Amino acid sequence: QKEVEQDPGPLSVPEGAIVSLNCTYSNSAFQYFMWYRQYSRKGPELLMYTYSSGNKEDGRFTAQVDKSSKYISLFIRDSQPSDSATYLCAMSVEFVTSGSRLTFGEGTQLTVNP
Amino acid sequence: ETGVTQTPRHLVMGMTNKKSLKCEQHLGHNAMYWYKQSAKKPLELMFVYSLEERVENNSVPSRFSPECPNSSHLFLHLHTLQPEDSALYLCASSQEDRRGGLFFGSGTQLSVL
Repeated sequence: QKEVEQDPGPLSVPEGAIVSLNCTYSNSAFQYFMWYRQYSRKGPELLMYTYSSGNKEDGRFTAQVDKSSKYISLFIRDSQPSDSATYLCAMSVEFVTSGSRLTFGEGTQLTVNP
Repeated sequence: ETGVTQTPRHLVMGMTNKKSLKCEQHLGHNAMYWYKQSAKKPLELMFVYSLEERVENNSVPSRFSPECPNSSHLFLHLHTLQPEDSALYLCASSQEDRRGGLFFGSGTQLSVL
């Protein structure tokens, strides 16, 4: 069983839709959760990070963590064609940055159609 | 230049060639990484350098050889690669033990013929 599961998609939605991207995980010790966005022919860029359970909002983006269900989500409101990218979840046990201790999902490819 | 820059952006090589990938970070970070990204697979951590010392080598074949001459530069030397090594190779940097995430370069798309 993979430590982090993420549906690779592809996911295609019309402009203006609410998008829900999700990851499940098996390691209950994870407590630092991140979402990266990767445009075509670019490297991933950090979009949001959250600690433990709860919600975090940044503009049109909301990150949600449910540790009891081992489930994290990224919601995109009023989606735009510029949101078309691959979204990767990542998580670690410690609440610090250390690339060697991050576990990534395989990414979900999202296309927002005008 | 800002952020993390990688060269070349694309590389095609034969199985007997020797080539090198270069990465430079302009963020003042103290850790640098090489990741491999293949289709439908999670990012695979290959090497970690912290304060210019290699601290992790995730069972990567010896045909991949990293070099970190200083905290701003990272190389990946390639020789006698296999077709299954074709992938996007990403360099990243971070400030270890601080919040803020990894900062990635745009990657080198490698094709091994």
